[in-house]
Amino acid sequence: GAVVSQHPSRVICKSGTSVKIECRSLDFQATTMFWYRQFPKQSLMLMATSNEGSKATYEQGVEKDKFLINHASLTLSTLTVTSAHPEDSSFYICSATTDGEGGELFFGEGSRLTVL
Amino acid sequence: AQRVTQPEKLLSVFKGAPVELKCNYSYSGSPELFWYVQYSRQRLQLLLRHISRESIKGFTADLNKGETSFHLKKPFAQEEDSAMYYCALGTGGTSYGKLTFGQGTILTVHP
Repeated sequence: GAVVSQHPSRVICKSGTSVKIECRSLDFQATTMFWYRQFPKQSLMLMATSNEGSKATYEQGVEKDKFLINHASLTLSTLTVTSAHPEDSSFYICSATTDGEGGELFFGEGSRLTVL
Repeated sequence: AQRVTQPEKLLSVFKGAPVELKCNYSYSGSPELFWYVQYSRQRLQLLLRHISRESIKGFTADLNKGETSFHLKKPFAQEEDSAMYYCALGTGGTSYGKLTFGQGTILTVHP
């Protein structure tokens, strides 16, 4: 099956700094990618839908200025957590679809962000 | 707004016993239901979806629109089935791939 890779898998940063997480589709072109956030022992919450070449669509309650999403190519989407604070510590997961009806959704391995 | 409910956070069974993971949804349109599984230290992966009506690894799930349920069943659980299971609802169309997940159920199959 198709592979989605995230980098880094773990990152620790100081409060106030910005962190970038990459999501790549390794063997297929992903017109659409999705970013999820998962708190410990809780479900995945959709943050935003990322479309190649256009602005991301954010879910209600997600700060677009805090979580910058860029989808510059068909194989790469990035999530930048700006001015990170301890409450931003979480597990961030991206997924990508081969697009269209019937296109399967493939998930990355996730990136664990810890803000000190 | 759509919602997915998995009432059991933890479910334990013995090997060979039947298992049923419950999932109920709330959505006014035509739903697309999925079950995703996450084995220890692995990424989330699709187990099955209702439109396929297939059995994967012995698991089946039937969409019951009257009861708004999509329970996952397996007649004889195996130890390797131990994992986190998520039920997810998709709304399809231009929102394809945009999923609402349930809270997840951790299944433990004891030897």
